[in-house]
Amino acid sequence: GAGVSQSPSNKVTEKGKDVELRCDPISGHTALYWYRQRLGQGLEFLIYFQGNSAPDKSGLPSDRFSAERTGESVSTLTIQRTQQEDSAVYLCASTLQTSGVHEQYFGPGTRLTVT
Amino acid sequence: AQTVTQSQPEMSVQEAETVTLSCTYDTSESNYYLFWYKQPPSRQMILVIRQEAYKQQNATENRFSVNFQKAAKSFSLKISDSQLGDTAMYFCAFGTWDQGGKLIFGQGTELSVKP
Repeated sequence: GAGVSQSPSNKVTEKGKDVELRCDPISGHTALYWYRQRLGQGLEFLIYFQGNSAPDKSGLPSDRFSAERTGESVSTLTIQRTQQEDSAVYLCASTLQTSGVHEQYFGPGTRLTVT
Repeated sequence: AQTVTQSQPEMSVQEAETVTLSCTYDTSESNYYLFWYKQPPSRQMILVIRQEAYKQQNATENRFSVNFQKAAKSFSLKISDSQLGDTAMYFCAFGTWDQGGKLIFGQGTELSVKP
């Protein structure tokens, strides 16, 4: 079946502009995660959605970052007033969350460059 | 707070030989999950192997196996009969069920398999 997809694959924006990144999870996956990967670094957790529960926003680095997910479908990550330090690859992952911690299936990421 | 440390930024190995990648972690939790993910130049994150902390038996997946030392909080990955396609960044990750399965990643080890 189809995997996790993300769009756009690359985004170049000017400092101060807003950007919106999209993630389409695997159909039926109840949990969705956003991570940020700076150049040469590991992944940093940003936000987590599980079904209709309140999202875990504990990883969002500032109030310029927000994310939404409707039900168990598409999620969008919005960065307002972008800064150069926001330049990174943004990865989305989904999983069918039952008891335990299971494999997360990752999308190809969106590379964001803020000039 | 949980942390994951990979102390080897880069490693290389000859094709067909064996290599071991190191990972240590810090947590006060007793029940958790550990993962090794592979990220080739395509940027696609792929699960290599998963270990449940309450299982004493080390996980294996074909040429990949782990040495899980719970008391020492160590989780190393052994790759046997290395292949050129194993060339990638390898990330160690930690997650718990009561934190929604969000993963904490190490900084990664860049593995080069040489012909």
